Amino acid sequence: DTEVTQTPKHLVMGMTNKKSLKCEQHMGHRAMYWYKQKAKKPPELMFVYSYEKLSINESVPSRFSPECPNSSLLNLHLHALQPEDSALYLCASSQQTGSNQPQHFGDGTRLSIL
Amino acid sequence: QQQVKQSPQSLIVQKGGISIINCAYENTAFDYFPWYQQFPGKGPALLIAIRPDVSEKKEGRFTISFNKSAKQFSLHIMDSQPGDSATYFCAASFSARQLTFGSGTQLTVLP
Repeated sequence: DTEVTQTPKHLVMGMTNKKSLKCEQHMGHRAMYWYKQKAKKPPELMFVYSYEKLSINESVPSRFSPECPNSSLLNLHLHALQPEDSALYLCASSQQTGSNQPQHFGDGTRLSIL
Repeated sequence: QQQVKQSPQSLIVQKGGISIINCAYENTAFDYFPWYQQFPGKGPALLIAIRPDVSEKKEGRFTISFNKSAKQFSLHIMDSQPGDSATYFCAASFSARQLTFGSGTQLTVLP
């Protein structure tokens, strides 16, 4: 079992809906990440939080809004998504940001936009 | 210069054979090279990682070979098993920069 827990596992939403993805880790990690992964492609970095502060936003559209309520939790709020946003959304964590810091991934939320 | 090029795109190996996946990079600042294994419906799992001050690292049936002068690194899976069938991603990073992933290799091990 993965130590990074993501909910829900699957989500189907319309383009006008508002939903949230949740991620939780209890490893004491201070860096948390959101990635987007399309089929047969590598993960693409979206956001990085370091010590609960947003440190990297990879030019992600504003219809994706991250939130880090505390050091164990990471949310991704979704609003007015497009069909091309359908993908696997992965959360990851590491002790800190920087090289030599293994990232531990959750199993993702499979998102489908109707 | 941030790219990591991975080959082959797909690989079919007989049970008991050796699977070899190769990656090449341009940025000499990279100093951390992990390999991730991903099964369908699961997130990537860290398999093994290496730093450029060593040329080889072995963990069980998995070995990373690293050639700093050629800017290449590879994953060798000895005695490949059907349970190893998955997608493998190499990656690289340096300093506070984030992981740069290769394009992935879909490995199929035939029983």
